[in-house]
Amino acid sequence: KAGVTQTPRYLIKTRGQQVTLSCSPISGHRSVSWYQQTPGQGLQFLFEYFSETQRNKGNFPGRFSGRQFSNSRSEMNVSTLELGDSALYLCASSPQTSGTYEQYFGPGTRLTVT
Amino acid sequence: DAKTTQPPSMDCAEGRAANLPCNHSTISGNEYVYWYRQIHSQGPQYIIHGLKNNETNEMASLIITEDRKSSTLILPHATLRDTAVYYCSVDNNAGNMLTFGGGTRLMVKP
Repeated sequence: KAGVTQTPRYLIKTRGQQVTLSCSPISGHRSVSWYQQTPGQGLQFLFEYFSETQRNKGNFPGRFSGRQFSNSRSEMNVSTLELGDSALYLCASSPQTSGTYEQYFGPGTRLTVT
Repeated sequence: DAKTTQPPSMDCAEGRAANLPCNHSTISGNEYVYWYRQIHSQGPQYIIHGLKNNETNEMASLIITEDRKSSTLILPHATLRDTAVYYCSVDNNAGNMLTFGGGTRLMVKP
């Protein structure tokens, strides 16, 4: 099976702009989680989608949003970018079958805000 | 709020066991302990998880103290390819809401 893919891999944006990142989970995986990773804060949970519904949300402002499509692909959007949004954004998928606890991470999208 | 604390770095000789500690003193009864590792420029990779019993798989062993306030990840025969940053996390949602702190940078040396 192909792994989790994320596009684009690198992105440079200017403060005030918005950005959309894409994630394609492993085939058959219904849960997609998004994370932000920075040197200062480590890896922090953004939100999780399951069957097109946001099931859990981390402690991030409303500028961060996401959605999941019927084929389980997911996008996240950040509006009104700030310098502090520069980070590696990681997507992870999970099959969500009984007793499954492992998440499979993509390579991430490195976002730089100037 | 960091829920876990780990030493920032450790060295290990190739072929020897690497023992990576994690403190999670505020863990609640329904939270699992997860271990992941991240090799430079890649996404994190799952290693192992546990609730209260010791666990072993093909990659590692996880030892959780009886009071569940700390755990140790054991790589029985470390290789150079095990050089990575190792993260422990606690989560009560089937591992879908992970939070990592700074992790432990493990350097395996020949």
